[in-house]
Amino acid sequence: DAKTTQPPSMDCAEGRAANLPCNHSTISGNEYVYWYRQIHSQGPQYIIHGLKNNETNEMASLIITEDRKSSTLILPHATLRDTAVYYCIVRVATGLSSASKIIFGSGTRLSIRP
Amino acid sequence: DAEITQSPRHKITETGRQVTLACHQTWNHNNMFWYRQDLGHGLRLIHYSYGVQDTNKGEVSDGYSVSRSNTEDLPLTLESAASSQTSVYFCASSEHATSNTGELFFGEGSRLTVL
Repeated sequence: DAKTTQPPSMDCAEGRAANLPCNHSTISGNEYVYWYRQIHSQGPQYIIHGLKNNETNEMASLIITEDRKSSTLILPHATLRDTAVYYCIVRVATGLSSASKIIFGSGTRLSIRP
Repeated sequence: DAEITQSPRHKITETGRQVTLACHQTWNHNNMFWYRQDLGHGLRLIHYSYGVQDTNKGEVSDGYSVSRSNTEDLPLTLESAASSQTSVYFCASSEHATSNTGELFFGEGSRLTVL
């Protein structure tokens, strides 16, 4: 799986949009971009994923550049409960390759300030 | 509801002891993973499996072993626990069917302390 690069920390004011960047310049054509977050002492939680097109769900939006070498996770209206470490990973989604080494980096520690 | 559970949630052991951490999932997922997480590090992959009788080494497999005798369980064994293995361990599972999100489902973690 391709490696990703994320800033170690960010902060955002409550109620504002939080934009978390991720670089994945060596991503392969069949690899998806996934975002997870980990709230203190809990297991990581899936947020969203995408291949080429931008995606949106009830939690967040995912913007993937046209060359797929980077992406941005957007939390539209950040709350204090969004304080967590956010992980960007790239991996094959289906088939036997989906069990290959899924590598998490150090993630971005997002702090939401009141 | 289907779920993934880990046990024990907390364990203290002594150096040299054998320890087994259990992971059980009820989604019938093919893929299962074990990660460890230490302060200052993200999740690091220990072992993974894509089906019964299949196991593979991850980034930090030394000192750990797993076995996959059925779909539901992937126990992680520390044959001779070392202080460097004090960590929080997370188990995860996913499906590798042709039509799914490929989402990883994580357990709540097992905190292991080796004295």
